[in-house]
Amino acid sequence: SYELTQPLSVSVALGQTARITCGGNNIGDKRVHWYQHKPGQAPVLVIYGDDNRPSGIPDRFSGSNSGNTATLTISRAQAGDEADYYCHVWDYRLPVVLGGGTRLTVL
Amino acid sequence: EVQLVQSGGGLVKPGGSLRLSCAASGFDFGSYWMHWVRQAPGKGLVWVSNINTDGSSSTSADSVKGRFTISRDNARDTLYLQMDSLRAEDTALYYCTRGGAYDAFDIWGQGTMVSVS
Repeated sequence: SYELTQPLSVSVALGQTARITCGGNNIGDKRVHWYQHKPGQAPVLVIYGDDNRPSGIPDRFSGSNSGNTATLTISRAQAGDEADYYCHVWDYRLPVVLGGGTRLTVL
Repeated sequence: EVQLVQSGGGLVKPGGSLRLSCAASGFDFGSYWMHWVRQAPGKGLVWVSNINTDGSSSTSADSVKGRFTISRDNARDTLYLQMDSLRAEDTALYYCTRGGAYDAFDIWGQGTMVSVS
């Protein structure tokens, strides 16, 4: 089975740049999506297809994917960005796979 | 407004059954794959099951295979999850979600709690 590896936690200073990684074998050959999940709310799609932002998502959120690592980058981090972030790999040959999630703390 | 509204869930004894529903509105329900995702208390999101546009094909995670059945009624714009032989480890908040571009989960229901005890 295909496995995704995310760090359990990432910390970033207010106004700085946070990078959350998602590791997987040749993940660069697949499409990666990212979700933001805050307590008591439904998850929200923030990046799809590696580097596309859905309508309404600030351009502070960006994504990249190459080799064995996909990265979600959050620029000018705000207190409201504190959440759990999950990666999701799409490959028509694979079952649906979600990463274990990363807790982002804004200091 | 594009939305998914969930119903069902609740408290059930081990070995019991429940059916979750997810009513879609604001989009052409029959044109999208649909999924169920769950989150156990204190744990991360876990994909449960998906179904294709006309309901002819579905897949499920190994943890629920043979116990949970996903289905849909495109005439009623509604997705279902029939959960049988429930176990304590099935206790979780269950979300229905739509598969959009590259099957990204672009619309989510509000979640419904299932407690097995």
